[in-house]
Amino acid sequence: DAGITQSPRHKVTETGTPVTLRCHQTENHRYMYWYRQDPGHGLRLIHYSYGVKDTDKGEVSDGYSVSRSKTEDFLLTLESATSSQTSVYFCAIRDTGLDGYTFGSGTRLTVV
Amino acid sequence: SQKIEQNSEALNIQEGKTATLTCNYTNYSPAYLQWYRQDPGRGPVFLLLIRENEKEKRKERLKVTFDTTLKQSLFHITASQPADSATYLCALDIASAGNMLTFGGGTRLMVKP
Repeated sequence: DAGITQSPRHKVTETGTPVTLRCHQTENHRYMYWYRQDPGHGLRLIHYSYGVKDTDKGEVSDGYSVSRSKTEDFLLTLESATSSQTSVYFCAIRDTGLDGYTFGSGTRLTVV
Repeated sequence: SQKIEQNSEALNIQEGKTATLTCNYTNYSPAYLQWYRQDPGRGPVFLLLIRENEKEKRKERLKVTFDTTLKQSLFHITASQPADSATYLCALDIASAGNMLTFGGGTRLMVKP
């Protein structure tokens, strides 16, 4: 989607390895979010950020960490990947509380 | 915690008819509610936002209603087309810190020619 890109688009990794997913925006939006989407669970919030170096946990944050050192980049790290973290990960951005979210195209992560 | 229910069964309708999707929620009174469209392999796309003090919102062939007494939102697509086939998600914002949205599981709409 315009203004927001996720990388990589697909990744296969082994259990126990660290993995970092990147979300990059060119919109200068304040808020950035990481969600995971799984069948039967819908979209669930992992972590979010409301500014540079300002982050907080979401509903399913265990096993994940994030960093935001620049407005445009929001990184999601799986310190030691597990099979339960196999999912599709979406990044989203928002400018103000009255805006809809703009989502990235997603990263399909498979942990084997 | 907030619970959002959308019909998990697919909705099949004939082209030209009006599609109506339901979103029910519990526990909280959201500041506003949003609807998104998601196509397979893609991220959700924002469609409409309705505030708690609004009863109805329209955008082209789309109409959303919001009943805070019933804790329900209805999403209508009039004169539906096969291109409207997708999964539709509702999401609630309770105006907490971080402006986080909580999403329902989505309802898949199939419009047949």
